[in-house]
This record gives sequence, C-alpha cells and structure tokens, in this order.
Amino acid sequence: DAGVIQSPRHEVTEMGQEVTLRCKPISGHNSLFWYRQTMMRGLELLIYFNNNVPIDDSGMPEDRFSAKMPNASFSTLKIQPSEPRDSAVYFCASSLAYAGGTDTQYFGPGTRLTVL
Amino acid sequence: AQTVTQSQPEMSVQEAETVTLSCTYDTSESNYYLFWYKQPPSRQMILVIRQEAYKQQNATENRFSVNFQKAAKSFSLKISDSQLGDTAMYFCAFVTYNFNKFYFGSGTKLNVKP
Repeated sequence: DAGVIQSPRHEVTEMGQEVTLRCKPISGHNSLFWYRQTMMRGLELLIYFNNNVPIDDSGMPEDRFSAKMPNASFSTLKIQPSEPRDSAVYFCASSLAYAGGTDTQYFGPGTRLTVL
Repeated sequence: AQTVTQSQPEMSVQEAETVTLSCTYDTSESNYYLFWYKQPPSRQMILVIRQEAYKQQNATENRFSVNFQKAAKSFSLKISDSQLGDTAMYFCAFVTYNFNKFYFGSGTKLNVKP
C-alpha cells in the first residue's frame, strides 16, 4: 500500500516567493495533519483536518500560512510570501479517526524547504 | 492541558546492550493511545510501538517493549540488543479518544556505538 505522499521532497526558493507543499494521505484515512520540524522548535503541529474540515489551526504561525483540503485525497500548505525563517522540514501525516478513538498516525517523507 | 515530556535530550548505548528511554505525559482524559516514533537520519518518521491506555499488558514489538505506568503517567521504551540501525531520534506521543490531536515530546537522540 502506498503511504503518505508528499511533494516536492526538496524546495529551494527565494524570500518573497510563494511556496506550495502538497500531500496525498493514505487512502481511507479521514484525518490529515501538517507539521513543521526545526532544530530550534522541534516538531510543531500547524493544522489538522478531520473529514476535510480544518479542526485546529492554532499552530499556523501567521497569515502567510494557509492550508486547504479540497477533497479526501489531497491537501496543500501554502506560504506566501516566504521568509528565511520558514526554512524547515514540513511533514504531512494521516490517520483514521472513528467514534471513540483514533488509529496510528502515519507520516510522509517530508518536504525540506529552504528559503534564501 | 495535554503535555508530553522527554527529559533525556540525548543518550548513548553500546551495541548489543539495553537502553531505556523515558517519557511522561499529562492528560485529564482516561482513554488514549500512546506511541513511540523513530526518526533516523533519513528524517522519515516511523512508528515503533503503540499502547492502548486501557490495556494493562505492556506492548512488545520484537526488541522493543514499553513500561506503561498509567497512574504515574509514564511510558518508557526499552530497546534490547541495541543495533547500529537503532541510532535515531525517538519521539513519544499520545492521542486521546475525544480529540484527534497528537501530542509529541521533544525527542531523545539515541546513539548506538559499535
């Protein structure tokens, strides 16, 4: 079975440019999570969706960040305009949530973003 | 508030020896799952082991086992017969039944020495 798919795997851009990260969750999973990982701040939850609806976006750093999930098989995380401090590894993860519980969260390979 | 604490930023162990990584958590919920994830230098997050809080029996996966103490809110990971491939960052995490949000600790970097 295909795991969580993220693209691109690496992205290098210049400050001020728009960056779009993409994620395809595991088929059948109904929850999707976006994380950011840096040496300084560790693993941070940015936003998560249940059944394509954003549930908690309190981790989104600022208005420059936005995330969408137009359908159950696709999500995007957009940064506009990008800044050097956005440089990090961005992970997408998915899980199956059901009444009374939730299953294991599975991570994609991550996108390493470098903003010059 | 839900929190996860890993008090050991870095640990070392000799190949073939046993090492235990500590994790404590805080939640007012009574039903939850606990996890240990491994992140090797490749940066891929890999599930190591999972424990349901309602189960008293500690989970085991080959060389990996946990010591789950619910009253103490402690969830340690024991790695037996350590191998060089176990070198990685290890994250403790939990998720409650009522909220589908995962809480992660800050990680423990494990170095397995030959």
